[in-house]
Formats: sequence, C-alpha cells, structure tokens
Amino acid sequence: ETGVTQSPTHLIKTRGQQVTLRCSSQSGHNTVSWYQQALGQGPQFIFQYYREEENGRGNFPPRFSGLQFPNYSSELNVNALELDDSALYLCASSLSRDGYTFGSGTRLTVV
Amino acid sequence: DQQVKQNSPSLSVQEGRISILNCDYTNSMFDYFLWYKKYPAEGPTFLISISSIKDKNEDGRFTVFLNKSAKHLSLHIVPSQPGDSAVYFCAASAMRETSGSRLTFGEGTQLTVNP
Repeated sequence: ETGVTQSPTHLIKTRGQQVTLRCSSQSGHNTVSWYQQALGQGPQFIFQYYREEENGRGNFPPRFSGLQFPNYSSELNVNALELDDSALYLCASSLSRDGYTFGSGTRLTVV
Repeated sequence: DQQVKQNSPSLSVQEGRISILNCDYTNSMFDYFLWYKKYPAEGPTFLISISSIKDKNEDGRFTVFLNKSAKHLSLHIVPSQPGDSAVYFCAASAMRETSGSRLTFGEGTQLTVNP
C-alpha cells in the first residue's frame, strides 16, 4: 500500500485561468472521489469515478471535470477559475464504504 | 441544504475526561455513518463507522452511538488524550444512492484536549 498522494500541495492561480490537480490513488482502489473543502467547512463532494467512468456528481458546475486512468491516478480540472474556487481539494480512493483513504490535499488560492 | 450538521464548532476537555462530539442529520436515506479526524496539513483519517442497523459501535477508546429516531449520532472518546486534539468530521452516506458511495460531511468540531 502506498497511500494517496496529491500534487501539487499548494497552488496560486489567477481568476479566469485553468488548473489541473493530480491524485495517485492507493494501489488496487478502483474508486476515486474528489472533495472541495472551503475554509471553516466540511468537505463537499465534487464527483466520483469508478473504473474510469464518472459515477456520481455533486452540486458543482460543468467547469469542474475529471479523469481517472488505468494506473489508479486521476485528475481534477477546473476551468475559468473564480475567487470562490479557493479551497483545499481532497482526493480519496476506496474499495469499500469505510475504506476511504484521503490524500493530504491541494491548497488552491485564486487571486 | 445542510444535511449533516455539527452544531459545536469547538470543544475543550481535560486530559483523561470524556469527549462527546455530536452530529445531527436530516436525510432519512442515510444508512451509514462515519467519523473522521483531521490534523492540519493532512487529509481526513477514518476513525470509526456505524451502520443504521446498529445503535452502538466501539473501537478502543472510541464509541459511536446512533439514535435513528432522533437522527442523531455522537462520538465518545474516553479517556481523552492531548494527541486527540484535531478537527472531527461526521459523515454520512446512503447505499441506495445512484451516485456511488459519496460522503456528506458536517462542518467539523475542533477538539482540544488540555494536559
């Protein structure tokens, strides 16, 4: 087991730009989920991928998109960044309902 | 629409005493509940879970109680230790959801255990 690693750890972007966040899931975990945690709030579900297909989406606009690859890695892409997109983005991989393993997150700041 | 609520943003207890963290939910479809602990600069770490068919689950110093009629769950930590100081999140999921095993989190409670 190698755990879940996310890159980069911190990122500063300008409003209107695009960003790609990366996640390397725990080996063998075929489900990956992405969450957004704004300051002072709990994580909010963005979407989930199962075997490289989107398998559920939270209340986020289409400019939030993702990909999952056969090697258990995944990406979160956000287009047309807004100031409110500033948050900690968490990736989690799982095999079972309480088997979520979270990464340490990427802190995105939009200026 | 906050379906999972943790009404106490913070809690301070003395080392050795019991810590009780509370969580309320509104969605009756939730059938699985989890507690996570989060240290700064780290991702949430799974602590303990409970299925809706149970009313109590215990793991060492951690016990989770579920009151389905009140839509309320609580996490008891006894005895509390300074290393338990962290933000605790309550989360819920519904197996019957078509959108996979998404977790709905509460806002979190900052627990501080004083030596």
